[in-house]
Order: sequence, then C-alpha cells, then structure tokens
Amino acid sequence: GEDVEQSLFLSVREGDSSVINCTYTDSSSTYLYWYKQEPGAGLQLLTYIFSNMDMKQDQRLTVLLNKKDKHLSLRIADTQTGDSAIYFCAEDNAGNMLTFGGGTRLMVKP
Amino acid sequence: DTGVSQDPRHKITKRGQNVTFRCDPISEHNRLYWYRQTLGQGPEFLTYFQNEAQLEKSRLLSDRFSAERPKGSFSTLEIQRTEQGDSAMYLCASSQGRAGYTFGSGTRLTVV
Repeated sequence: GEDVEQSLFLSVREGDSSVINCTYTDSSSTYLYWYKQEPGAGLQLLTYIFSNMDMKQDQRLTVLLNKKDKHLSLRIADTQTGDSAIYFCAEDNAGNMLTFGGGTRLMVKP
Repeated sequence: DTGVSQDPRHKITKRGQNVTFRCDPISEHNRLYWYRQTLGQGPEFLTYFQNEAQLEKSRLLSDRFSAERPKGSFSTLEIQRTEQGDSAMYLCASSQGRAGYTFGSGTRLTVV
C-alpha cells in the first residue's frame, strides 16, 4: 500500500530557513499537499502542488517536487516562532482520499 | 462561510456507550471526508461522501462505526459500544473536486 514518510523532528533558529522533506510512493498522485497542525487544533492547508509542476512559491513557502525520486520538500524562509508546529505532507490517491505522512515537528528557537 | 465546523470539540464517554459527532462542511463543497488521528500520528482516512452517497470506506471503519450524510450537506459519524482504542481526534474535511481539502478543528474523543 501507499506509505508517506517524513523525518520526525527539525529544529532551527528564528530567521533561518527550514526545509521539511517527504517521500511518497504513489506515482499516480495528482496533487501533493502540505498541512500545518498546531497543538490541539485541526489541519491548516498551507499549499499544494500539481504533479506536473516542479516548484511552487507562495510568499515564504517554496515547494519542490521531484517526481522521479518521489520526493517533496517544503522550504520556509525567515522562519518565525509562530511557525513552530507539526507539518504533514499528504498525497491524494485516485482523488478519493489523502494519505498522510507521520508529521515533522518543527521547533523554532528564538 | 466560516469553514468546516465540527461538534462537539471534546467528548468524554464511558466504554460501551454510543457517541455521535457532527460535521458541517463548506456549503458549496460536494465532497466530505472523515479521518481519525491518534496521538503522534498523521490522520488516517475513514470514509468519503460525494453529495449524499458514501463512496468509499476504510478497513479501519469497523461495524461499530457508521457515517451518514442524509441530504448531502452535514454528516454524522456514530461509534457504537465505544472502546478505549477509539480514543482519538476525529477530523472532518470537505472539498469541491480534488484540490484543497479543508479540515475542521476536529472532535477529540476520550473513552474512559
């Protein structure tokens, strides 16, 4: 079955860039997503990328997609303490559901 | 539109009791999804509706679970004879088509 993998933890200093990585397995996924979850809260959609794109930029966020290696990354420029949260990547499977990774906890030190 | 609403936010129940959760999706969204998230894990798909039709169910959705979306608007998720293993965050999401699933804040269930 499909399996989406992420590293568990990332720590950066305020003002640095953060890069969160994700690997996925379903080459037929059309969209790939990044969600943010703060403690006790639901999931906030940050951005998504269509599978025929290599890169998408949205303000401080840059998504890179390498379809050959099934690798997705999220870069957050000028990381702030308010960016501390858990970040999930997800792939859609035949358009009927999302399969999520286990999440990467981002800690931003002042 | 205020986004996807879920009610209640928290529910504590005794083992063996039945519970029901409600989700109100974004009004123009025709697709509605239920996910379950346990502590330290990513959300896992439970079931999906397109309008009022339940089109897919996960193996995670045992016979004790039932979901409905009677008029293609709000949805309910009922768990009968709750077990401690049902303790989790239950998340609802909606979408119009395949892009941009919007999630609610979730219902946290604790079975004691």
